[in-house]
Amino acid sequence: AQSVTQLGSHVSVSEGALVLLRCNYSSSVPPYLFWYVQYPNQGLQLLLKYTTGATLVKGINGFEAEFKKSETSFHLTKPSAHMSDAAEYFCAVSGLGAQKLVFGQGTRLTINP
Amino acid sequence: ETGVTQTPRHLVMGMTNKKSLKCEQHLGHNAMYWYKQSAKKPLELMFVYNFKEQTENNSVPSRFSPECPNSSHLFLHLHTLQPEDSALYLCASMGGYQETQYFGPGTRLLVL
Repeated sequence: AQSVTQLGSHVSVSEGALVLLRCNYSSSVPPYLFWYVQYPNQGLQLLLKYTTGATLVKGINGFEAEFKKSETSFHLTKPSAHMSDAAEYFCAVSGLGAQKLVFGQGTRLTINP
Repeated sequence: ETGVTQTPRHLVMGMTNKKSLKCEQHLGHNAMYWYKQSAKKPLELMFVYNFKEQTENNSVPSRFSPECPNSSHLFLHLHTLQPEDSALYLCASMGGYQETQYFGPGTRLLVL
């Protein structure tokens, strides 16, 4: 069985500040890990994913995430927040092949000017 | 048109109505998914189709009836819904070795 916990349903940062969104997972098999972003009235857009190989993964819009097996974590970061980053962010885990995604509850990111 | 499209984008229906949601993917994928996104709850996987065959039904009530006539199209037929079925319904597709699900914009459903 797999599960995802996103710590903090709402995160607020100032423009230009570091963004850190936390995700911890549980998986009985080697996980595939994903971060998706959802802007208002839109579907989910893939930010980045980890399947195998390098544990530091770079995605779109300046985001990156690091897979830490020992901590069962896959936190999402961005060095400098932009107003356009305001959205809801979802962490997801799956087994091999990404056939069945299990999502966290989401974190709403607010950017203060 | 590219990506995953969904129609209609918004739908209001009464509890006695019958309506259908449509999803179309232009990515050449062979797997398609329906998800339900309710306020304050994680995305819930409803159905999975692979090569037009249903491979997953996540204990979804029978008032939701999926149909996958080919690998590019997926429907969700709705009848006698309840107000608690109001949600955003998302379609996704995946194919080949991409190992990534691509989502459509969703249909916002309101059941009165």
